[in-house]
Amino acid sequence: RKEVEQDPGPFNVPEGATVAFNCTYSNSASQSFFWYRQDCRKEPKLLMSVYSSGNEDGRFTAQLNRASQYISLLIRDSKLSDSATYLCVVQGGATNKLIFGTGTLLAVQP
Amino acid sequence: SAVISQKPSRDICQRGTSLTIQCQVDSQVTMMFWYRQQPGQSLTLIATANQGSEATYESGFVIDKFPISRPNLTFSTLTVSNMSPEDSSIYLCSVEDLRVGDRNTGELFFGEGSRLTVL
Repeated sequence: RKEVEQDPGPFNVPEGATVAFNCTYSNSASQSFFWYRQDCRKEPKLLMSVYSSGNEDGRFTAQLNRASQYISLLIRDSKLSDSATYLCVVQGGATNKLIFGTGTLLAVQP
Repeated sequence: SAVISQKPSRDICQRGTSLTIQCQVDSQVTMMFWYRQQPGQSLTLIATANQGSEATYESGFVIDKFPISRPNLTFSTLTVSNMSPEDSSIYLCSVEDLRVGDRNTGELFFGEGSRLTVL
């Protein structure tokens, strides 16, 4: 089983739609969780951290469910500029290093 | 946030040759990392570049294949040695964002990557 698993997509949604991505992780000792965004042919950039209580940043909401070991990202009112690959990232366990998921591709259509 | 410059941004190389990728950061950082992103795959950590000591390699990566230098706190190189087509990938340098108190926030800043194609 992969340490971090994501649905690769692609998710094709119209502008204005709400879309949700899920990510599962295998190491129950993981401590920190993040969503990164990677545009085509660009480097990954941090989108937001994921806190235990859930957190929101504008149109983006991140949730963590430790019992089920999954993380979610909700994007409301999708924009064309949201088109990118969203990487789920988990940190912690024995090595404390960051483990990246393979990413979920989102394509927002006009 | 750190500004990271990587070069070359891309290269096409012949099988059996070696290529050195450079990473320059605009501030002193304790930890620098080298990642690989193969087509359709996620980022895989190759090694942590330690200033003043040997790099720490992840499982599946060895120093003979990926020698790393870290002569100071702002610069590192990764060499891909004796290349084969399987080494075709994007290689990314990254650094941690260390906030006040040096608490690890988990945010990594990445260079723009070096896209390597091996024929």
